[in-house]
Amino acid sequence: QQQVKQSPQSLIVQKGGISIINCAYENTAFDYFPWYQQFPGKGPALLIAIRPDVSEKKEGRFTISFNKSAKQFSLHIMDSQPGDSATYFCGIGNTGFQKLVFGTGTRLLVSP
Amino acid sequence: DSGVTQTPKHLITATGQRVTLRCSPRSGDLSVYWYQQSLDQGLQFLIQYYNGEERAKGNILERFSAQQFPDLHSELNLSSLELGDSALYFCASSRMMGPDNEQFFGPGTRLTVL
Repeated sequence: QQQVKQSPQSLIVQKGGISIINCAYENTAFDYFPWYQQFPGKGPALLIAIRPDVSEKKEGRFTISFNKSAKQFSLHIMDSQPGDSATYFCGIGNTGFQKLVFGTGTRLLVSP
Repeated sequence: DSGVTQTPKHLITATGQRVTLRCSPRSGDLSVYWYQQSLDQGLQFLIQYYNGEERAKGNILERFSAQQFPDLHSELNLSSLELGDSALYFCASSRMMGPDNEQFFGPGTRLTVL
């Protein structure tokens, strides 16, 4: 049973375009929503995270949009660059459950 | 470099065998997590330790076990290996427990079971 559904599985975007990756969850108890970025041959690294008390968080070209009522959140990468080509994982967490549950990942390729 | 080290980097073994993967967390981090990454399953949480004690368990098979030692390094033991256990195994560490603590991932151990 997948607690968080991530889409799309893969994405190709032209340089300068906007990349959008979506995640949906069921349990409203989750209160922490991070995105991790993984380059080939490396471990994932935290990119940006949001809590449900805000609807949007922006860090540079990366923005998380959060829709609490729809139980969805998304990662937007503005002005996508070839260096953004990586696999992106969304996560859902709740301090009461201790663990972080990750989505299945989205492989992003930004073409030059 | 995240500061988390994992050994070995690659491991090739046969079905039925037993292996041990080792992880050293970042200096000062008390929590260690183990994940399994396969192509079709993404990042699967296996188990978490905090300051030597097991704190959370995911879909970890009974053939797998882990522990965190007093010096905070951790080992993941995989026994009676099957072909399907071939995957990348990541260790991550964080300062405290709780999913809202940033996890720093090691470079992973690639396990191949033949």
